[in-house]
Amino acid sequence: SQQGEEDPQALSIQEGENATMNCSYKTSINNLQWYRQNSGRGLVHLILIRSNEREKHSGRLRVTLDTSKKSSSLLITASRAADTASYFCATNSGAGSYQLTFGKGTKLSVIP
Amino acid sequence: GAVVSQHPSWVICKSGTSVKIECRSLDFQATTMFWYRQFPKQSLMLMATSNEGSKATYEQGVEKDKFLINHASLTLSTLTVTSAHPEDSSFYICSARQTGGANYGYTFGSGTRLTVV
Repeated sequence: SQQGEEDPQALSIQEGENATMNCSYKTSINNLQWYRQNSGRGLVHLILIRSNEREKHSGRLRVTLDTSKKSSSLLITASRAADTASYFCATNSGAGSYQLTFGKGTKLSVIP
Repeated sequence: GAVVSQHPSWVICKSGTSVKIECRSLDFQATTMFWYRQFPKQSLMLMATSNEGSKATYEQGVEKDKFLINHASLTLSTLTVTSAHPEDSSFYICSARQTGGANYGYTFGSGTRLTVV
């Protein structure tokens, strides 16, 4: 079953604007990861945040994690048309398991 | 960086035939690989965890006799869809985990679009 729930399911913005996607999960986690998928392609790992971290940055990406609310957000600043893709959060529960549980994803469209 | 090669990228087969999909880690050893299935506009559903040198672990509801997984080496896992039916048409994606614990991102193959006619 899917643990993560992304919000919104679809997001359309103008180039240059910021895009924020949210993810909620249900069980305790070891880490939470964000992935990007271009249409018909595999997934590309964007960023990983551990359960003891609250915020992480990578280039134009900013991820936050609130374990008390079991939620995470991905912010893409100064969006570009090339950022158009689906974005998924995935959780790893740890405890010796290496499995990832994916959310339903947010489809981001950046209009030039 | 870590690269996972998945082949073929697309395949069309007739009902009743079998199709093999390969997943190779090109520049690292992967003791564990994962196979996912993705329906259009939906998320990834984990089918099975492939462990090098041992039997795969299948998720509930996934028929192990229909989706045969072999992980004979540290760089190769294969998924064979046996006696394929049109309902098996889907996008199949593999991923591999580099050693060093779970606190690393996983590397995904580019996916295989299977169409059964």
